[in-house]
Amino acid sequence: GQNIDQPTEMTATEGAIVQINCTYQTSGFNGLFWYQQHAGEAPTFLSYNVLDGLEEKGRFSSFLSRSKGYSYLLLKELQMKDSASYLCAVSHSWGKFQFGAGTQVVVTP
Amino acid sequence: EPEVTQTPSHQVTQMGQEVILRCVPISNHLYFYWYRQILGQKVEFLVSFYNNEISEKSEIFDDQFSVERPDGSNFTLKIRSTKLEDSAMYFCASSDQGRETQYFGPGTRLLVL
Repeated sequence: GQNIDQPTEMTATEGAIVQINCTYQTSGFNGLFWYQQHAGEAPTFLSYNVLDGLEEKGRFSSFLSRSKGYSYLLLKELQMKDSASYLCAVSHSWGKFQFGAGTQVVVTP
Repeated sequence: EPEVTQTPSHQVTQMGQEVILRCVPISNHLYFYWYRQILGQKVEFLVSFYNNEISEKSEIFDDQFSVERPDGSNFTLKIRSTKLEDSAMYFCASSDQGRETQYFGPGTRLLVL
């Protein structure tokens, strides 16, 4: 079956690092995406991995292991504005996407 | 910076009525998508569209849904006979030839009474 799992909620302190894990089981794979979504707003693209390894974009990094069906999003130097839901999404054929339920990150002072 | 726009921002309709949700993708983008998000739930893929035809669609996208690109700028989602369970936020997204970065519009909140 098709499944994407990520933790429901994580709490971290301002300035800290948080790692959000995502595991997936899909019938095909064309890439893994991470999005940020603030309450009541649209998802905003953060990163994309299609090959194994680490992609770094400023304070955000994303890692992919296709053999393990595993990805993580790393948020460094957390800021209060990073409090949001982080969505893991898999493209399992070009043009068809499946989202995880999202991980709510709460950043505390 | 170019952005995806959607109209209306909110729509209230009676069960059984038809609604059309409108989107203007980023002008040089080639791939278009509709998603929905029921309140408190995850984002769900509905359909993708490329070269004036549907590329992929989900199980949610049944016969009551249709999409159209009526001109060079608009991309619409039509729900023919709305049900209570169609109440959700509907997001349009577009991406360019690279496909990996999808830009989402602000959404249309649909309420079916």
